[in-house]
Amino acid sequence: DAGITQSPRHKVTETGTPVTLRCHQTENHRYMYWYRQDPGHGLRLIHYSYGVKDTDKGEVSDGYSVSRSKTEDFLLTLESATSSQTSVYFCAISESQNEQFFGPGTRLTVL
Amino acid sequence: GENVEQHPSTLSVQEGDSAVIKCTYSDSASNYFPWYKQELGKRPQLIIDIRSNVGEKKDQRIAVTLNKTAKHFSLHITETQPEDSAVYFCAATPRAGGSYIPTFGRGTSLIVHP
Repeated sequence: DAGITQSPRHKVTETGTPVTLRCHQTENHRYMYWYRQDPGHGLRLIHYSYGVKDTDKGEVSDGYSVSRSKTEDFLLTLESATSSQTSVYFCAISESQNEQFFGPGTRLTVL
Repeated sequence: GENVEQHPSTLSVQEGDSAVIKCTYSDSASNYFPWYKQELGKRPQLIIDIRSNVGEKKDQRIAVTLNKTAKHFSLHITETQPEDSAVYFCAATPRAGGSYIPTFGRGTSLIVHP
């Protein structure tokens, strides 16, 4: 597997609390992405980054924010978690228009 | 933006049979089409990809075909084995400004019965 990790791997939290998920890469790839995966919906893009401090919204960005202060780290923040944000979250990296490498995923449960 | 439709959502075959999964896309600017396999509880991993200047690509038991005119591409798996059981995702990748942002299909759950 490419050098990409996610933390935490599992998290249970309560509605209304802030949550931050971290994606870390050692490949020096330019692009980083956050997806959520829900049954019947495949992989839906939340936000992506095309460089340090350069980010943009995906198709399901409401309720999420991101930051990328270093090439290797891409943070996803849920400012006030809701039950609809219960999901499996995958980070991915890529270099230009090439294969994406996915992290191991984070299973988030919002009670 | 790009829209990718993937069919079928579930595919059940007997070991040794062939399996075909089809995807259509809407953005004629898309020029990179990867396929990912996701085993239960694991991360998606690339199994094959094709670029728009090629009509077909093979890698052992798997092949992908692309019809740019009709905007569809397909994954073919021959001589299926139980370890092929997984969810398969197609994606289409247009260039948006200076970025390459894939859009995924909803996935096909392939079940290979021994």
